Amino acid sequence: EIVLTQSPGTLSLSPGERATLSCRASQSVSSNYLAWYQQKPGQAPRLLIYGASSRATGIPDRFSGSGSGTDFTLTISRLEPEDFAVYYCQQYGRSPFTFGPGTKVDVK
Amino acid sequence: QITLKESGPTLVKPTQTLTLTCTFSGFSLSSIGVGVGWIRQPPGKALEWLAVIYWDDDKRYSPSLKSRLTITKDTSKNQVVLTMTNMDPVDTANYYCAHSTATYDQFDIVVAVVATLFDSWGQGTLVTVSS
Repeated sequence: EIVLTQSPGTLSLSPGERATLSCRASQSVSSNYLAWYQQKPGQAPRLLIYGASSRATGIPDRFSGSGSGTDFTLTISRLEPEDFAVYYCQQYGRSPFTFGPGTKVDVK
Repeated sequence: QITLKESGPTLVKPTQTLTLTCTFSGFSLSSIGVGVGWIRQPPGKALEWLAVIYWDDDKRYSPSLKSRLTITKDTSKNQVVLTMTNMDPVDTANYYCAHSTATYDQFDIVVAVVATLFDSWGQGTLVTVSS
């Protein structure tokens, strides 16, 4: 089983600032099958990024993903008020399809 | 437009069997490359993948829960059903179903899934396990 670790656990930032979230895998993620999801309170997760760097349909270009192998990053270039949420990474290339513990981005 | 909706009991007793139904629209589970999965989330905690069923009736389960889970599909009704036996209070969670897009390799008539992306999710249903 691939274990995903996310850091930091909480990121306190102000609107307009840049957010950098990290996801590290216990072993190489095949073909960069790494996704990022955003979840707001009381809502289902929403797919943001797949294939480590491809934005899902309708996702603003302030969201970008990068990385390969075992180290991946989600960057939000300028935080909008609606971006304050919890972000999860997931590897979907090898069953079981594991999720990270999440990073909460909250208002400083 | 893809939509999914979970239904089932909101309260189950310990040791009982949970049956959840995912009713979907906007896609067919008989189309190659399509799957439906289940993911759960205890209140205030992280997401946990449970199971997925593919267009060809292939299935994958979380190893830690495999002995308790069964996933089935009814393509004519656009439904996927998840059963979980021997429920315990630690199974209290929001249960989500999700559409999956499978990446696959095809060798002659053999198809092998190499990746399963969960790209559209239902709203979730909270199941509480308590006596």
